[in-house]
Amino acid sequence: GQSLEQPSEVTAVEGAIVQINCTYQTSGFYGLSWYQQHDGGAPTFLSYNALDGLEETGRFSSFLSRSDSYGYLLLQELQMKDSASYFCAANSNSGYALNFGKGTSLLVTP
Amino acid sequence: DVKVTQSSRYLVKRTGEKVFLECVQDMDHENMFWYRQDPGLGLRLIYFSYDVKMKEKGDIPEGYSVSREKKERFSLILESASTNQTSMYLCASTDRGETQYFGPGTRLLVL
Repeated sequence: GQSLEQPSEVTAVEGAIVQINCTYQTSGFYGLSWYQQHDGGAPTFLSYNALDGLEETGRFSSFLSRSDSYGYLLLQELQMKDSASYFCAANSNSGYALNFGKGTSLLVTP
Repeated sequence: DVKVTQSSRYLVKRTGEKVFLECVQDMDHENMFWYRQDPGLGLRLIYFSYDVKMKEKGDIPEGYSVSREKKERFSLILESASTNQTSMYLCASTDRGETQYFGPGTRLLVL
């Protein structure tokens, strides 16, 4: 099975940088995905790391270290609209994610 | 534009009723998934399907069954609804890539 641990809540100020960590214990781990979910909305895909290192997509970056079973999502130049829940998810060797973390609720304050 | 739709946004049922939740995707995706989402527990996989008429149990299949008769449609069935199945139910689909597309969710209340 797989388990993923991430902080339950993070608060940051508008314009700042925030890092959301995710540690995992898995079998058949293939990669790490990140999803964003606003209150009342559906989760939407943000990024995916199959290889170690940093992937950058605009203001969002994601990092993976397989040797440490660890990854993080980095959000820069925070905006109020970034207030949402963020989930890490472990992708199996089938390619898709089957196991999600419990989510981190990010609150961006003025 | 990618689209995953679910038959109802809100549903109220009584204990013991048989409940059908429908999910349709228009992207010709092979893989479809049913999750439930509860506060503090995140998304937990109930069942997934990698092809028509094929299904695999996820982490919490007890009390649920699924049906996939057509590629675009994946149904979740609660054989006899119970109050502990009150939850948000999310359907998702993907091709063989890493991006899952989620539907808007069905918030089910079992009284």
